[in-house]
Amino acid sequence: SAVISQKPSRDICQRGTSLTIQCQVDSQVTMMFWYRQQPGQSLTLIATANQGSEATYESGFVIDKFPISRPNLTFSTLTVSNMSPEDSSIYLCSVELGRGTGELFFGEGSRLTVL
Amino acid sequence: GQQLNQSPQSMFIQEGEDVSMNCTSSSIFNTWLWYKQDPGEGPVLLIALYKAGELTSNGRLTAQFGITRKDSFLNISASIPSDVGIYFCAGPSNSGYALNFGKGTSLLVTP
Repeated sequence: SAVISQKPSRDICQRGTSLTIQCQVDSQVTMMFWYRQQPGQSLTLIATANQGSEATYESGFVIDKFPISRPNLTFSTLTVSNMSPEDSSIYLCSVELGRGTGELFFGEGSRLTVL
Repeated sequence: GQQLNQSPQSMFIQEGEDVSMNCTSSSIFNTWLWYKQDPGEGPVLLIALYKAGELTSNGRLTAQFGITRKDSFLNISASIPSDVGIYFCAGPSNSGYALNFGKGTSLLVTP
């Protein structure tokens, strides 16, 4: 597997502000993903973070709201912009190790509460 | 994306009991995965299945890839309090190597 570190682990944010979540992996990985887990819900894919190019967003998620960077094969950021209480969720970074197994490994998540 | 229907939604059992949960898909999968999520943690991979009919164990956990390739189940034998958590099934999404997740089964085990 891989060691996936996310920062911050949790934060309380004010409405209208933006917050950037960082994801650091201890090895180079081909595929990185960002998921959202709303309270008491399952995981929903936000986007695939592509190294050196724009992220690929799922239906219902847009770049202006969730800009993503992936400057190299071990690091990515997700920004949650102009937050509202509906953005209160756990945001999870996930990686696929390039073995073609389809197995994803997850960071511990970043729990955001928007007041 | 593909619809994953996971049941039951929650289970409340006594220590030592066996548990079974299942997942069905609206389309054929070539991979089924089962994850467990503890409070405040990210999901952890328990078992991965790659072939129809495959039966795989990981300690007290056993999972099977249904022969129709549209379903999978996870069994936990002789449950213990640390089995408490949310269990998710997952299968390939339409987005490359990403996964779609079921809604989860919340398991509570009383000593």
